[in-house]
Amino acid sequence: EVQLLESGGGFIQPGGSLTLSCVASGFTLRNYDMSWVRQAPGKGLEWLSSIIGSDDTTYYADSVKGRFTISRDDSKNTLYLQMNSLRAEDTAVYYCARGSGTPDSWGQGTLVTVSS
Amino acid sequence: DIVLTQSPATLSLSPGERATLSCRASQSVSNYLAWYQQKPGQAPRLLIYDASNRATGIPARFSGSGSGTDFTLTISSLEPADFAIYYCQQRSHWPRTFGPGTKVDIK
Repeated sequence: EVQLLESGGGFIQPGGSLTLSCVASGFTLRNYDMSWVRQAPGKGLEWLSSIIGSDDTTYYADSVKGRFTISRDDSKNTLYLQMNSLRAEDTAVYYCARGSGTPDSWGQGTLVTVSS
Repeated sequence: DIVLTQSPATLSLSPGERATLSCRASQSVSNYLAWYQQKPGQAPRLLIYDASNRATGIPARFSGSGSGTDFTLTISSLEPADFAIYYCQQRSHWPRTFGPGTKVDIK
């Protein structure tokens, strides 16, 4: 069974940094593209970033480009999202998802709250 | 960026009725459009990929159609579990984009 388990969310002040993790089970991470998607409270879904499994090419939304970095550790079957220079508008539930085109499996999400 | 517009914003229907949800793209996405269902407090669930293909385990009452810029998700006969928010999403271009969602609620 495919499972994705995010962690690392929490309360952080504006300007701070946070790293989210997503542990994958039931499949081998290096064989798949992976993505991060977020959802601000009461709002819709926003794609943030994807990493291509075959060559590590990365893509970012303009809203996070230069501040967020997607990466993975295949030995740990874990996907990461390093988030720097956090802003109040980054407050959201962050989901990791399998796939870069049409994500077919999603974690339950981890909440990041950016506030002073 | 490709902008996806969904209509209506809210659809109020009764169980057993047919639901028709629309998604329009600002430029052609070919058939590279997916539909997701999301219930409160839950992650999105993939329903339809590449415009008309049901994902694994999705009931036959869900169907998708369209190509280019106009797409439709149809739920043939609403069941209580179907009242949720539905999002369309394109994979034709980077950045990937989602529509704002259509909420299907109980009339």
